Amino acid sequence: NAGVTQTPKFQVLKTGQSMTLQCAQDMNHNSMYWYRQDPGMGLRLIYYSASEGTTDKGEVPNGYNVSRLNKREFSLRLESAAPSQTSVYFCASSKQGVNNQPQHFGDGTRLSIL
Amino acid sequence: GESVGLHLPTLSVQEGDNSIINCAYSNSASDYFIWYKQESGKGPQFIIDIRSNMDKRQGQRVTVLLNKTVKHLSLQIAATQPGDSAVYFCAEGAGYQKVTFGIGTKLQVIP
Repeated sequence: NAGVTQTPKFQVLKTGQSMTLQCAQDMNHNSMYWYRQDPGMGLRLIYYSASEGTTDKGEVPNGYNVSRLNKREFSLRLESAAPSQTSVYFCASSKQGVNNQPQHFGDGTRLSIL
Repeated sequence: GESVGLHLPTLSVQEGDNSIINCAYSNSASDYFIWYKQESGKGPQFIIDIRSNMDKRQGQRVTVLLNKTVKHLSLQIAATQPGDSAVYFCAEGAGYQKVTFGIGTKLQVIP
């Protein structure tokens, strides 16, 4: 029972490099989310996808793009990585939105930008 | 409880004792509240939730209390075990796609 799977688990990039973080869920959930977690701060929403075919900006979308590839997969792309994007990134999913139902999280991607 | 600093507030509890973790939420319009547990190197794991039309909800060894008057949420863990050591944080939901997460409290269980 995998739940939400994120790859890679760790990554080091140089400033200006690009990369895509992958996320897949096997719970047939409609909604998927990307968060970043930084010391001293709560999880902050980068982008979300309420359903297949739709994506919307969250609280901190600058410097990121997303793709809802299909119902299972939701990727996060950094086009030109910056040191401020050093963080732990979590993907989450929920059946339908976040109102009255919890999100299920992956184990994160630890990303360092040098 | 919540912290504005870089270091998480820490609660140290003797194994077998009860733990109470507090959370103050900010939005009066929030109508759904969730507690998550996050172990080192792992993602947040859902523990228990409560809707705003309830004051209390119980799960296995956990109880969540909601006081809407003072916008306060607490998580009680009965008979705390070493495996309960983790960061616990609350989240408040207000609307279809909006949820706000707290910073968290670190629970240390002393054997």
